[in-house]
Amino acid sequence: KQEVTQIPAALSVPEGENLVLNCSFTDSAIYNLQWFRQDPGKGLTSLLLIQSSQREQTSGRLNASLDKSSGRSTLYIAASQPGDSATYLCAATDSWGKLQFGAGTQVVVTP
Amino acid sequence: DADVTQTPRNRITKTGKRIMLECSQTKGHDRMYWYRQDPGLGLQLIYYSFDVKDINKGEISDGYSVSRQAQAKFSLSLESAIPNQTALYFCATSDLSDLGGELFFGEGSRLTVL
Repeated sequence: KQEVTQIPAALSVPEGENLVLNCSFTDSAIYNLQWFRQDPGKGLTSLLLIQSSQREQTSGRLNASLDKSSGRSTLYIAASQPGDSATYLCAATDSWGKLQFGAGTQVVVTP
Repeated sequence: DADVTQTPRNRITKTGKRIMLECSQTKGHDRMYWYRQDPGLGLQLIYYSFDVKDINKGEISDGYSVSRQAQAKFSLSLESAIPNQTALYFCATSDLSDLGGELFFGEGSRLTVL
């Protein structure tokens, strides 16, 4: 069974610093990997989706990399802002289209 | 209006009561999902449906049932609620033509069972 782990569980950084969020998965036979953002009391919003054939995806200040051989994905957020404070979750999709989620990393960006 | 709408958003009920959480979507997606979120545990899949005639159990289906009334509607029922079903429940949709495609989530339904 696929297991997805996100470490650390929580992270606090001053505004302007770059954020590095880690996601590891045990089964490299994934179809894609997705990163989501969740604000308190809200649903999840998809940030980036990396297909298994890709190495990275970028959107604005966000960049996500994927290394299937080592079972890792990393989400980079450049020049963090207080508005980036949220919980970030990753999810690995298997060949049946089912997602396995990590528990998330709670990020606080202090002004 | 939201693409994926869940009702009710909040519900407090007592042990043994029957509860239904409803989900409707305007995205025209075939795939719909029900997830449960507990603090520190991420999201766990309860049930999923790839079209109106296709219903599948997820990781934690015991104590839950679902109904796919139409392409746009997918309901989750707790026949006899118990306190450890207190959680935040999410409905999500994705496009069948895009295997493993982007998921779109509702705002969530917070259920408290006393």
